[in-house]
Amino acid sequence: AQKVTQAQTEISVVEKEDVTLDCVYETRDTTYYLFWYKQPPSGELVFLIRRNSFDEQNEISGRYSWNFQKSTSSFNFTITASQVVDSAVYFCALSGAMDTGRRALTFGSGTRLQVQP
Amino acid sequence: NAGVTQTPKFRVLKTGQSMTLLCAQDMNHEYMYWYRQDPGMGLRLIHYSVGEGTTAKGEVPDGYNVSRLKKQNFLLGLESAAPSQTSVYFCASSLDSRNQPQHFGDGTRLSIL
Repeated sequence: AQKVTQAQTEISVVEKEDVTLDCVYETRDTTYYLFWYKQPPSGELVFLIRRNSFDEQNEISGRYSWNFQKSTSSFNFTITASQVVDSAVYFCALSGAMDTGRRALTFGSGTRLQVQP
Repeated sequence: NAGVTQTPKFRVLKTGQSMTLLCAQDMNHEYMYWYRQDPGMGLRLIHYSVGEGTTAKGEVPDGYNVSRLKKQNFLLGLESAAPSQTSVYFCASSLDSRNQPQHFGDGTRLSIL
């Protein structure tokens, strides 16, 4: 069975602070994919990043960066110089390549980020 | 540039009523999914489809049925709505391989009284 744990239920920061959202996963698959989605107050789900299990390189996209460490089964997300527009719920998700073809996502429970002006 | 479209966006039902949620995608995706989102629990998979004419159960299928008669549409039915089915429902679609990102609709907020 797969599991994604986002232990931080809610985080509040002041604008321009850096913030890291933690994600820890469990899977028996040797090939799997990790995702981050953003859900702003308007409610839609916005895809941020996909990472496969063979690529442990960190990735940076503007103010966003992701740190994937297989040794600790973690895929953490850092926002640098946070802005009020970053306020949202962020979901980490996992998809196992051997998951009988479902390709469905197992989601964590989400982390609500509030960025105060 | 529609992507994934869900209808309706909001609905209030009485216990025991039935309804169908419609999901339509225009990206020619093979895989389609229905999730429900409840407070503090993330999204959970209800049913999914790997192609036209096929459906399968996810983690929380009880009380729901689905159909995929056309590749672009995936219907979620509640035969006899219960208050426990009050939730936000999301439809998603993706290509059939390489674990491409799932594209989500904007959600349907359903309240069962």
